[in-house]
Amino acid sequence: GAGVSQSPRYKVAKRGQDVALRCDPISGHVSLFWYQQALGQGPEFLTYFQNEAQLDKSGLPSDRFFAERPEGSVSTLKIQRTQQEDSAVYLCASSFNRDKQYFGPGTRLTVT
Amino acid sequence: DAKTTQPTSMDCAEGRAANLPCNHSTISGNEYVYWYRQIHSQGPQYIIHGLKNNETNEMASLIITEDRKSSTLILPHATLRDTAVYYCIVRADDKLIFGTGTRLQVFP
Repeated sequence: GAGVSQSPRYKVAKRGQDVALRCDPISGHVSLFWYQQALGQGPEFLTYFQNEAQLDKSGLPSDRFFAERPEGSVSTLKIQRTQQEDSAVYLCASSFNRDKQYFGPGTRLTVT
Repeated sequence: DAKTTQPTSMDCAEGRAANLPCNHSTISGNEYVYWYRQIHSQGPQYIIHGLKNNETNEMASLIITEDRKSSTLILPHATLRDTAVYYCIVRADDKLIFGTGTRLQVFP
């Protein structure tokens, strides 16, 4: 069946530009997570939604990062005024219950 | 969430069992042990999880010590496609806290 999809797969942005990263979770999955993975590191939690409610945004590194899931399905992670340190792979995961999270392939963001 | 300690890297011959250890000495009674793996350029993939009892599924077995301070993930017959970074995670709430994991290299 269809898994979690993310778009774009690769994004190059000039420093200072705004970017929007999209996540399409598995249909029917209530929970949606965003993670950031720097090169050579494990993924780090950014934020978590249950349906359209953002229940935890403790991992967002600054107020330049904003995530939404207005209808409880597709989610967008927006980064304003990108900086070089934002270069990373951004991973989205969804889950139906608390047991397993299903991850998408990620969006590789490079800020030049 | 409790912190985990894993070896940085391990090698395993194809067809042999791969035994990946994890220490989680500060684990709390309500925290589960989860294992995920990440193959190069892909998102992490769930493998298995457990609380107290040993668990087995089609991918692997999870052995948790009686005091719950450590666990071992066992891939019974490793293949080249099992080459990946394996993350041991102790989880209490909904989010996953990844460490740096163990890089498992399966060789022919």
